Amino acid sequence: DAGVTQSPTHLIKTRGQQVTLRCSPKSGHDTVSWYQQALGQGPQFIFQYYEEEERQRGNFPDRFSGHQFPNYSSELNVNALLLGDSALYLCASSFPGQTYEQYFGPGTRLTVT
Amino acid sequence: KNQVEQSPQSLIILEGKNCTLQCNYTVSPFSNLRWYKQDTGRGPVSLTIMTFSENTKSNGRYTATLDADTKQSSLHITASQLSDSASYICVVSSFSGGYNKLIFGAGTRLAVHP
Repeated sequence: DAGVTQSPTHLIKTRGQQVTLRCSPKSGHDTVSWYQQALGQGPQFIFQYYEEEERQRGNFPDRFSGHQFPNYSSELNVNALLLGDSALYLCASSFPGQTYEQYFGPGTRLTVT
Repeated sequence: KNQVEQSPQSLIILEGKNCTLQCNYTVSPFSNLRWYKQDTGRGPVSLTIMTFSENTKSNGRYTATLDADTKQSSLHITASQLSDSASYICVVSSFSGGYNKLIFGAGTRLAVHP
């Protein structure tokens, strides 16, 4: 049984560009959360998707948007990239009704130049 | 404001030695507290989870304690190994408005040297 998977592993983009990150949840999980982790910091909550809708959102601008598909996989889109968007982006999934127990993927390292 | 503070920020110990990491939180309402281990450039992996009524939880050489009265937790690592070199993140879960919200600490970076 595969755990949470994310793609790509690494990504380099130029300021102003747009990027899409992908996440497949652990088998049986229906809720997907996205986090941004700057170097040396703890993860910061971006948003959470459940039943293909954004259910919670952290303190991130509208440049950050997402989507969840019927198979529970999810995408994170970031528009108009800034240098400060460089970070490790983590996806976490959880069982229905157990969002306190989240399983993390390996992350996507985004570098904005 | 819900906050989780960890200390020290970083720690260097010799292989085979013990160490203790600290976590103080001001989160309400409190649901549970979890310690994660995060290797560099990888996703966090759960070590222990404790609810309000639990004082101690062990996972191999890792032992977590929780004092819900003082809102403090610690993670004790026994007989450290080189593979213990990682960041250790304290995460407090708060259930409010029908949702669980996870509040992360900044982590303690542990380096185990031979």
